[in-house]
Amino acid sequence: EAQVTQNPRYLITVTGKKLTVTCSQNMNHEYMSWYRQDPGLGLRQIYYSMNVEVTDKGDVPEGYKVSRKEKRNFPLILESPSPNQTSLYFCASSLRGGRQPQHFGDGTRLSIL
Amino acid sequence: ILNVEQSPQSLHVQEGDSTNFTCSFPSSNFYALHWYRWETAKSPEALFVMTLNGDEKKKGRISATLNTKEGYSYLYIKGSQPEDSATYLCAFFSGTASKLTFGTGTRLQVTL
Repeated sequence: EAQVTQNPRYLITVTGKKLTVTCSQNMNHEYMSWYRQDPGLGLRQIYYSMNVEVTDKGDVPEGYKVSRKEKRNFPLILESPSPNQTSLYFCASSLRGGRQPQHFGDGTRLSIL
Repeated sequence: ILNVEQSPQSLHVQEGDSTNFTCSFPSSNFYALHWYRWETAKSPEALFVMTLNGDEKKKGRISATLNTKEGYSYLYIKGSQPEDSATYLCAFFSGTASKLTFGTGTRLQVTL
């Protein structure tokens, strides 16, 4: 089944403790991205990747890192999480850039205390 | 940060009503305009990707139009049903930066 898989689905952690949210897709998609969703602000793009080893900042990249060493995986890293990063996070992928639809993962709800 | 605006913010209609929403986006550096449907406790699902000025797309009772010169797109739902209740998102893909910028969505509630 074609899908985007995120892990974990839920996480409660403390300020400053490094964490990684994994994202994997099995559709051979080139474009992958991370979004955060906050009430009243909608989905905001954190980082995106056009292909392996090609990543770039979205609109809200501060406090996040990503890597794209393999086509299928695009982990989101919070080196030193802070409470303002408490949010619902979505990973998404598309075949190639903007002219194909994004396929979203199920979301990861992060709470940073 | 690019400005993508959706109106209205929320809408409450009765079953059988037809309705429409608006998405406004920058008229320069257009590459694509996406529409998504997002049900509560689920992930957004793609409805349409529109790329050409004057494009019209249709999926069942849902259709969309695109005007890239003036920077707007309309989404129409004909004969709304309770299962159409969801938040409808549009997103603008810029031709100069490969970023996807979402609007804050229109929340539709359809009651019997």
